[in-house]
Amino acid sequence: QTVVTQEPSFSVSPGGTVTLTCALSSGSVSTKYYPSWYQQTPGQPPRTLIYNTNTRSSGVPDRFSGSILGNKAALTITGAQADDESDYYCVVNMPNGIWVFGGGTKVTV
Amino acid sequence: EVQLVESGGGLVQPGGSLRLSCVASGFTFSYHWMTWVRQAPGKGLEWVANIKEDGSQQYYVDSVKGRFTVSRDNAKNSLYLQMNSLRAEDTAVYYCARAPAGAPADYWGQGTPVTVSS
Repeated sequence: QTVVTQEPSFSVSPGGTVTLTCALSSGSVSTKYYPSWYQQTPGQPPRTLIYNTNTRSSGVPDRFSGSILGNKAALTITGAQADDESDYYCVVNMPNGIWVFGGGTKVTV
Repeated sequence: EVQLVESGGGLVQPGGSLRLSCVASGFTFSYHWMTWVRQAPGKGLEWVANIKEDGSQQYYVDSVKGRFTVSRDNAKNSLYLQMNSLRAEDTAVYYCARAPAGAPADYWGQGTPVTVSS
């Protein structure tokens, strides 16, 4: 059973930069896993930020960017704002066709 | 404007069944994979199942295989999730989502809550 691991929490100062990561228990995350990132605030459905590693969803500001860093997928928030305070989830596509979410990272600004 | 509206959630006893529906509008439904994602109270997101554009392929998370069935009716722009043999651990908000190439979801519905309890 593949586990996707994210940092439980991160704190960033307003205007600062934070990089969240997404790791696979079975090895390295690469573009072939199509990592995606979602933002969620309490009581709301998720909002799509990044898909297919680094494609920004419609309307998402360019302070959000996706990449592969070493053996992990990464979401970088540059110039953090107060309303970026949310839970962030990564998800990857496994070779057997299923998708697996990470446990989420709670970001405090 | 893309809209996804789920319905069918509610309270059901363990071992019971529910059928969730999701009506889509604002895009060509038959051109897209569709996905169900759930979120248990106070927990993270869990991908549940998806279905190909023409309904010919489906994938499921192991925990629901053999109990849940995803289907679609492209003529009605509708996605379904038939849930049988429900367990307490299936209690969650269930979200319907459109799946673009390279992601399980881009647009999301508001979700429908399912509670499995006696």
